[in-house]
Amino acid sequence: DSGVTQTPKHLITATGQRVTLRCSPRSGDLSVYWYQQSLDQGLQFLIQYYNGEERAKGNILERFSAQQFPDLHSELNLSSLELGDSALYFCASSVSGTPNSYNEQFFGPGTRLTVL
Amino acid sequence: AQSVAQPEDQVNVAEGNPLTVKCTYSVSGNPYLFWYVQYPNRGLQFLLKYITGDNLVKGSYGFEAEFNKSQTSFHLKKPSALVSDSALYFCAVRGTISNFGNEKLTFGTGTRLTIIP
Repeated sequence: DSGVTQTPKHLITATGQRVTLRCSPRSGDLSVYWYQQSLDQGLQFLIQYYNGEERAKGNILERFSAQQFPDLHSELNLSSLELGDSALYFCASSVSGTPNSYNEQFFGPGTRLTVL
Repeated sequence: AQSVAQPEDQVNVAEGNPLTVKCTYSVSGNPYLFWYVQYPNRGLQFLLKYITGDNLVKGSYGFEAEFNKSQTSFHLKKPSALVSDSALYFCAVRGTISNFGNEKLTFGTGTRLTIIP
């Protein structure tokens, strides 16, 4: 158990809908990262938050957004869903977020999103 | 831009034999390298990392990895494979952190390791 929790485990929805994925980082970790794992794209970085602020953006679609709350949990919002958004979405956390830090990221179990 | 290549989609090894899962990388500056393992229906689990220092890094479950700067490689190894090592293995790279926003991991496509009893 990594200490990172994600809810829900599974999500089935229809095209055009909006969903919210939730992540609670390990105790003490200030950085939260979101990744998408799909068969055709592999594991791709989406976005990073550090202590409530957006820190880095990757291949995140404009239909997707995220935020990190004062209690450090994070939510990934996916809207106007398309079939191609079906994937496993991982949240990871780390202590780092400061320059020259290189701590490993700890991953949650993921949320499997199926868009029908 | 940073990138990772895992040239083998699938590696089969007999139980008890040594195993190697290959990884090469491309990054500006010094690399920070990681190996993760993914079991079915589970998240990624951290195995080991190379930041600096000794080129041979030891990690969890008897795994180790050898960093080779001239060949830009970071191969994962284990002296004696177990059936329970069967899983999907990912190599990842992160560039030298000189500022915020450089902590994202870039992953390879993964190598499925199957240990044959």
